[in-house]
Amino acid sequence: DGGITQSPKYLFRKEGQNVTLSCEQNLNHDAMYWYRQDPGQGLRLIYYSQIVNDFQKGDIAEGYSVSREKKESFPLTVTSAQKNPTAFYLCATSWAEGETQYFGPGTRLLVL
Amino acid sequence: GDSVTQMEGPVTLSEEAFLTINCTYTATGYPSLFWYVQYPGEGLQLLLKATKADDKGSNKGFEATYRKETTSFHLEKGSVQVSDSAVYFCALTLNEKLTFGTGTRLTIIP
Repeated sequence: DGGITQSPKYLFRKEGQNVTLSCEQNLNHDAMYWYRQDPGQGLRLIYYSQIVNDFQKGDIAEGYSVSREKKESFPLTVTSAQKNPTAFYLCATSWAEGETQYFGPGTRLLVL
Repeated sequence: GDSVTQMEGPVTLSEEAFLTINCTYTATGYPSLFWYVQYPGEGLQLLLKATKADDKGSNKGFEATYRKETTSFHLEKGSVQVSDSAVYFCALTLNEKLTFGTGTRLTIIP
């Protein structure tokens, strides 16, 4: 079954805690992206990666970190430096940067 | 910078009504244009796209035409169904960046 998987569907973070959101794809796409969605707003780009072992900051990278050790995986860590982490996080992929992006089902992060 | 402006919602229609959701864009070049749909609690699904002027994207009864002269990409459907209730996002890609509008929530009443 091809596609993009994100886990978990819901994630809870305590104050001062780092949490990691998973994004896996078996579409053989080179580019991967992380977006944040807040209620009533569009999507804002956090980080993106064109190839393995390379990634760039998006518009709102502060308080987040990523890694791209494998083509299939692009995990996002929400650090304690992110003061307002409650949001819906969406991972996307495309076969190359600038091409059509396809989205995963999302992870909703809530702060306890 | 590049931007997308969508008609503000929410939009409420009766089943079988005609739908139009307006979208206009500002871009320094010639972007590709997209409509994505988001059902409650889910990620975004690509609904349709157009890559050059006068192209018409279509899918599931929805259509949108890339109008360079009016910098628009309005989404239309002739007869909506309850299952079309969702949030619709217009977006453009240019210079390798995808820029979204703020979304339009559509509710269809039986």
